[in-house]
This record gives sequence, C-alpha cells and structure tokens, in this order.
Amino acid sequence: QVHLVESGGGMVQPGKSLRLSCAASGFPFTTYGIHWVRQAPGKGLEWVAVISHDESKIYYGDSVKGRFSISRDNSKNTVFLQMDSLRTQDTATYYCTTLCTIGATGYFDYWGQGTLVTVSS
Amino acid sequence: SYELTQPPSVSVSPGQTARITCSGDALPDQYGYWYQQRPGQAPVLVIYKDTERPSAIPERFSGSNSGTTITLTISGVQAEDEADYYCQSADSSSSSWVFGGGTKLTVL
Repeated sequence: QVHLVESGGGMVQPGKSLRLSCAASGFPFTTYGIHWVRQAPGKGLEWVAVISHDESKIYYGDSVKGRFSISRDNSKNTVFLQMDSLRTQDTATYYCTTLCTIGATGYFDYWGQGTLVTVSS
Repeated sequence: SYELTQPPSVSVSPGQTARITCSGDALPDQYGYWYQQRPGQAPVLVIYKDTERPSAIPERFSGSNSGTTITLTISGVQAEDEADYYCQSADSSSSSWVFGGGTKLTVL
C-alpha cells in the first residue's frame, strides 16, 4: 500500500525559510519521480516542482523558481522541498504526489495528506 | 505560460447531467485528466487520457475531447458528487504540469 507522508509545515514569517519532507513507502521509491503540488486556502491546485527518480531532471513552477529547491534521499525514501524567501502568497497546503507517466504527461495517482504552510508576520 | 480554463461553478439538480469544460491550446496534443476534490481531502482521479475511467469510479462519470476543450460529464448526478473538479494536463515544452482553476459543482 502506497503511503506518502508530508511533514515540516508550520507558521513562518515572510522572508524566512522552511523545509518540507515527504516520506514514501509501499512502492519502489527509487524508480519514481515525485512532485509537489500546493493549494492555497479556498483556492485551486498549483503544481510546484518535480524531481526525477535519479535527480537528473528537476523542474519548478514559475511562481517558485529561484526560491524553492527540491531534492531527494533515496536511501531514506524521502523527498525534500526547501523553501526560501517565503512570501505570504506561498501560504498553502503542500502535497507530495507520484505521477503515473503516460507519454510526455501523466496523472497524479497517489497523494499525501498534505502539510500546511502559513507565511505571516 | 500554459493555462487551462474552467468555469468557476456549475449547478444541477439531482438526477440531471452536469458538464464541466476545460479549455487549453495544447489539449489537442496532450491528454487531459480530471480530479474530484472534497473539502479537506486530497484530489482523486476520475478520468484519465481524456476519456478513460478508473475502475473504482462510478460509470456515471465520463470524459470527452473536442480539440482544445475537454469535458467531464456526470450523468444522473447524486448529492455525493458535490465537490470541486479540476482538469490537468502538461506543457511538454517547459516540462511543467498545469491544473485548471477548478469548478465547484453544486447539487441543488
């Protein structure tokens, strides 16, 4: 059974940093890319970042490019999202999710429960 | 950047048919996907590859594609279908994934 468990959320002041973790189990983690998707309170879903299984491919959404950094530790089945220079607009629930690849695209099949990040002074 | 456009809301009475559209320039070239999200829960896939339905999803959910627009159709809407629905695709030129803005389905 696939499990994705996010942690590390909380309240932080604008301009500060926070590091989220996504612990995975129940599937061959070292062969899967992992994505982060976020959802601001009462708003829609926004894709944030992806890291390939071997870290050779990393991509970011435009709103976080240059401020967020995704990485992974395959020995611990964990993906990280380092969030720097946080803004109030980054307030959201952050989900980690796996992608079922179909051609050049695919869909997000397994999701964690999410971790809430609140950026406020 | 690539965008997917959905209506903010759709309302139907129980037993009627709900149709939710999603428009995007790349949809003729990339598959579209649909998710249902209930309050406080993670999204759940209801349609993949424009028209395919996961085995756990009721038959009343269906999808179609007409070029730059994909449509999620829920036939015989039930109260439990009240939720937010999101379309999703990808922009292969920029290696980014895109969600529509979401549509709130209200069952009257």
